[in-house]
Amino acid sequence: DAGVTQSPTHLIKTRGQQVTLRCSPKSGHDTVSWYQQALGQGPQFIFQYYEEEERQRGNFPDRFSGHQFPNYSSELNVNALLLGDSALYLCASSKGVGNSPLHFGNGTRLTVT
Amino acid sequence: QKEVEQNSGPLSVPEGAIASLNCTYSDRGSQSFFWYRQYSGKSPELIMSIYSNGDKEDGRFTAQLNKASQYVSLLIRDSQPSDSATYLCAVRGGAQKLVFGQGTRLTINP
Repeated sequence: DAGVTQSPTHLIKTRGQQVTLRCSPKSGHDTVSWYQQALGQGPQFIFQYYEEEERQRGNFPDRFSGHQFPNYSSELNVNALLLGDSALYLCASSKGVGNSPLHFGNGTRLTVT
Repeated sequence: QKEVEQNSGPLSVPEGAIASLNCTYSDRGSQSFFWYRQYSGKSPELIMSIYSNGDKEDGRFTAQLNKASQYVSLLIRDSQPSDSATYLCAVRGGAQKLVFGQGTRLTINP
């Protein structure tokens, strides 16, 4: 049973560039949430996708956007990268948008120089 | 006031002792509560979920929830060096998004 998979595992980008991160949810899950985790901090909620629509959004600027595909996989796009965007980006999946727990992928470590 | 608050630690506990981790939250409408363990450089791993007041036990772990006090805790009995990690408290409030605390770094000393 495949868990949540994310790609790539590491990425180095330059300020001003754009990046796309990818996530495949755990088998049987249909909801994908994205989190940003800075060093020494807890994960910060970016947004959640369900039925190919953004259902919830955290306090992140419009530079952060996403998409969910019919097979439930998801992408996170970040435009006009800033140094402060350097972080671990975590994708988590769950079944539905109720009280079920989130299961996390291994994350993508993004470094912006 | 932060939505979910934890003492960042570090919390140091001798091997074999009980480790006690605490978390408070601000949204009285919160319905579900989770504890995640995160090893350095790794992603969070779910270890406990609790939805109603009282205690829930799973092996060496016990989660405790008090909605009136807006308080949730995690006890780890017979602590092992492999329990050394950051423990994240996560709360799902009325808005349905899962909000995390900053985590408590736990070190178990042999």
